[in-house]
Amino acid sequence: DTEVTQTPKHLVMGMTNKKSLKCEQHMGHRAMYWYKQKAKKPPELMFVYSYEKLSINESVPSRFSPECPNSSLLNLHLHALQPEDSALYLCASSQGTGDRSYEQYFGPGTRLTVT
Amino acid sequence: EDQVTQSPEALRLQEGESSSLNCSYTVSGLRGLFWYRQDPGKGPEFLFTLYSAGEEKEKERLKATLTKKESFLHITAPKPEDSATYLCAVQDWGGYQKVTFGTGTKLQVIP
Repeated sequence: DTEVTQTPKHLVMGMTNKKSLKCEQHMGHRAMYWYKQKAKKPPELMFVYSYEKLSINESVPSRFSPECPNSSLLNLHLHALQPEDSALYLCASSQGTGDRSYEQYFGPGTRLTVT
Repeated sequence: EDQVTQSPEALRLQEGESSSLNCSYTVSGLRGLFWYRQDPGKGPEFLFTLYSAGEEKEKERLKATLTKKESFLHITAPKPEDSATYLCAVQDWGGYQKVTFGTGTKLQVIP
């Protein structure tokens, strides 16, 4: 099973709201990722968690706050977003670190609209 | 800094008309090259990982090949259901878990 699940599928929020995106995988993967994807653009890396610790933060604004409660779950907390933050947010996981390159498996994404 | 360039940006094929998509890359040391397929509004679907020049992998009508500077995704006798955007991505040895994506090739297969 190579499934990564994400909830919700769609989210509309105002600029003063607080919401969270959730991601789950049961493949035993030890690395998890958040990406942002705008229309007709490739996925843009936001955060990487490796063994439940934040290992990469691609200079993402503080209105995005990631959390990794355990090895299977990844959250992205959203607060005071801007309309330009509207995008498809993708979660991915991979087997982990090591001496080789591991493919990432993506979830279906959350379509976020900020009004 | 790693760079990935995909061509063409868009490709329109008749059903059964074979073709190839190109991914040119520049990395300090290739750790892995990935091909993904992405349907509109969905997450990318993993297709292949290639590690070293000369390596080839196949899956149904798709075949991926790798040289020291580029990778090709060959599509043999495509069907309409192969229509999607195909993304190439690379990871270098210094990049830890970070991959660099190309902008993709949007493939349309017409019945």
